[in-house]
Amino acid sequence: EIVLTQSPGTLSLSPGERATLSCRASQSVSSSYLAWYQQKPGQALRLLIYGASSRATGIPDRFSGSGSGTDFTLTISRLEPEDFAVYYCQQYGSSPLYTFGQGTKLEIK
Amino acid sequence: QVQLVQSGAEVKKPGASVKVSCKASGYTFTSYDINWVRQATGQGLEWMGWMNPNSGNTGYAQKFQGRVTMTRNTSISTAYMELSSLRSEDTAVYYCAMGSGWYGDFDYWGQGTLVTVSS
Repeated sequence: EIVLTQSPGTLSLSPGERATLSCRASQSVSSSYLAWYQQKPGQALRLLIYGASSRATGIPDRFSGSGSGTDFTLTISRLEPEDFAVYYCQQYGSSPLYTFGQGTKLEIK
Repeated sequence: QVQLVQSGAEVKKPGASVKVSCKASGYTFTSYDINWVRQATGQGLEWMGWMNPNSGNTGYAQKFQGRVTMTRNTSISTAYMELSSLRSEDTAVYYCAMGSGWYGDFDYWGQGTLVTVSS
């Protein structure tokens, strides 16, 4: 089973700052199959990034994804108030077919 | 627009079963797999399995093998997830999710169904 470890667990930043979130896999993940999601309280997940670096429909260009192999990064270039949420990475392909990281909470400093 | 609308919250006793529905609209129901993912309060996300609405074929995470059944009714574009032998640890929000692309991601999610298991 591929385990995804996200860091940090909590990130405290101010609007306008840059956020860098990490997702590390216990085994190599195909870049085609690494995604990032945003979740706000009481809401379902919203797809941000698929294929490690492609933005989903309607996602602002301040969100970007990068990485390969076992190390992936989600970057939010300039934080807006609505960006404070929990972020999850997810991989597809290894048994179980899908696994998620434990999440990074992005909170207002 | 694509929508996945789930059934309402459920309260069940330990040992019982629960069946959650997910009604799809805005696309051809049989075109894309429906997956189920759960999230216990304050916890992470756990994938439970997939179902192909066209063939009815399913694949379950090993953890849930023998306890979960995923079915569908194509005439009403609805997928179902039934979990049996419920225990308190099954208390969670259950989501249906669908990926319309080729990259193993889920671009559409239901609103979630809270299942509470309590005596």
